[in-house]
Amino acid sequence: KNEVEQSPQNLTAQEGEFITINCSYSVGISALHWLQQHPGGGIVSLFMLSSGKKKHGRLIATINIQEKHSSLHITASHPRDSAVYICAVRTSYGKLTFGQGTILTVHP
Amino acid sequence: DTEVTQTPKHLVMGMTNKKSLKCEQHMGHRAMYWYKQKAKKPPELMFVYSYEKLSINESVPSRFSPECPNSSLLNLHLHALQPEDSALYLCASSKTSLAETQYFGPGTRLLVL
Repeated sequence: KNEVEQSPQNLTAQEGEFITINCSYSVGISALHWLQQHPGGGIVSLFMLSSGKKKHGRLIATINIQEKHSSLHITASHPRDSAVYICAVRTSYGKLTFGQGTILTVHP
Repeated sequence: DTEVTQTPKHLVMGMTNKKSLKCEQHMGHRAMYWYKQKAKKPPELMFVYSYEKLSINESVPSRFSPECPNSSLLNLHLHALQPEDSALYLCASSKTSLAETQYFGPGTRLLVL
């Protein structure tokens, strides 16, 4: 079993829909990152969380340390949100471990 | 300036060649990272530099040799690579080597023939 599991692996939505991507991990962590990768390779760091909730524009990230679970929400989704979303955790001893990614496609 | 730049964007090399990938940031970050990403796979951490010193080497083969000549630059020297080393190589930086937001470069797409 992977230390970081994301679901779903693939997600298709219509423009305007509310989207949730989930990340569960099985190790102790000091922080969790949500990353966005568009086709062509460029990675953008969206959030870094160690507790609670963060919001940036239409994106919201939450983390529950006790349940070892984080969610990334996108409100009013748009085709330009189409990308791969990657959850990564930094373990307590410094290692960075990535989830397999969620491929999001938003249709107009 | 919140940008991490990488050169070249694309690189094709033979198995006997020696080449270098370059990464640069001017955000004053003291932690820099090299990642390798194969198609449809998540990035794999290769090296972490903290204050210009190698702090993490994720068991990377010696044909990959990192170098951090100063706090703004990170190089990855390549020698005697194998075709399976073909991948997207991503550089990132953060303020320190602790759990902080990482800023990624656009990557160098490497093809080894």
